[in-house]
Amino acid sequence: AQKVTQAQTEISVVEKEDVTLDCVYETRDTTYYLFWYKQPPSGELVFLIRRNSFDEQNEISGRYSWNFQKSTSSFNFTITASQVVDSAVYFCALSSGTYKYIFGTGTRLKVLA
Amino acid sequence: GAVVSQHPSWVICKSGTSVKIECRSLDFQATTMFWYRQFPKQSLMLMATSNEGSKATYEQGVEKDKFLINHASLTLSTLTVTSAHPEDSSFYICSARGQHGAGELFFGEGSRLTVL
Repeated sequence: AQKVTQAQTEISVVEKEDVTLDCVYETRDTTYYLFWYKQPPSGELVFLIRRNSFDEQNEISGRYSWNFQKSTSSFNFTITASQVVDSAVYFCALSSGTYKYIFGTGTRLKVLA
Repeated sequence: GAVVSQHPSWVICKSGTSVKIECRSLDFQATTMFWYRQFPKQSLMLMATSNEGSKATYEQGVEKDKFLINHASLTLSTLTVTSAHPEDSSFYICSARGQHGAGELFFGEGSRLTVL
């Protein structure tokens, strides 16, 4: 069975703090993809990153960074020096085989000024 | 990234009427599109996979006669909520898969349906 767990339902931080959003996944497939999406209050989902199962290199994009560790089946997302505009719900997702996406339950991030 | 446009972004209708939501891929051809439903403060629930030129594949528990999906062209899929009831009120989101590899999903803006 495939599953994505985002244990943090809601996180509140003060602006400029760093914050890490956790994502743990389960799959028996050896080839799979992991994603992070951002859903701001307006509702649309914004693609942030895709990582395939054979690429464990961490990635940094501006204030965003991702830590993929197959040994712990985790794909965590860190925002450095958070800003109010980062306030949103963040979804981690897993895709393999049939290309269906399995979404986590999301983590609501509130960045306070 | 690729652009997926969804229309209307919000709609209010009376109970018993039908509502059609359109999902268009603007700058790429999408042989497969996906329809999701999202309840307030909850995750996305996959309703069905829309395949161009063939019948949609519905997830377990989703009524195919209630949620009609048509994918007549490579750039357009439609979801029609038939005989809508208040419990059908929700946020409906379509997405299309990119063309490379497993491809990331690109999402439409979503359509908020309120049934009175």
